[in-house]
Amino acid sequence: EAEVAQSPRYKITEKSQAVAFWCDPISGHATLYWYRQILGQGPELLVQFQDESVVDDSQLPKDRFSAERLKGVDSTLKIQPAELGDSAMYLCASSLRQGSSYEQYFGPGTRLTVT
Amino acid sequence: AQSVTQPDIHITVSEGASLELRCNYSYGATPYLFWYVQSPGQGLQLLLKYFSGDTLVQGIKGFEAEFKRSQSSFNLRKPSVHWSDAAEYFCAVGAAGGYQKVTFGTGTKLQVIP
Repeated sequence: EAEVAQSPRYKITEKSQAVAFWCDPISGHATLYWYRQILGQGPELLVQFQDESVVDDSQLPKDRFSAERLKGVDSTLKIQPAELGDSAMYLCASSLRQGSSYEQYFGPGTRLTVT
Repeated sequence: AQSVTQPDIHITVSEGASLELRCNYSYGATPYLFWYVQSPGQGLQLLLKYFSGDTLVQGIKGFEAEFKRSQSSFNLRKPSVHWSDAAEYFCAVGAAGGYQKVTFGTGTKLQVIP
């Protein structure tokens, strides 16, 4: 069964350092999502791509976060510089098309700890 | 703006007992509703979804949920809980048409005791 891949699974970094996460969605899925999940809370959408275009990045802290999906396939989320408050699980998901009616498939996530 | 409330942060049930997890949503039109499950350290898996039609929907792993428009609720149920059901459960709301993001609740952590 096809799955969403993410790496690394765990990342520990010092504040002010740069960190990057990678996501490979299910083949053929046009829509890719990055979520941030703080401990004890539900996932919050950071950015959504339709193919290589950003559809929604309204909750992305653009002064330090960036995301790209250059060829409309895999994607990278970067934080520079990392802050203590960025410690969270970063989840990637993909769906066949955009819209709530299309099931989102989630990867296992990257657990980030900023010290 | 759409929102979801899960009033129970933590629930403990005995194995074999029935389960009901509460979810209330806020959305002006007919919502799309979802329940996801997250095992420790893992991503989310879709249990079931409601778009329209029959208000009682069946999902995977023996779960079901009922949409009640008058109460703005979409509670998740299971008649007999298994130890493997211990996880965190998230209710989510989306909407029809074009680009509409899905908004998640804060989750309910389920503990199953033998």
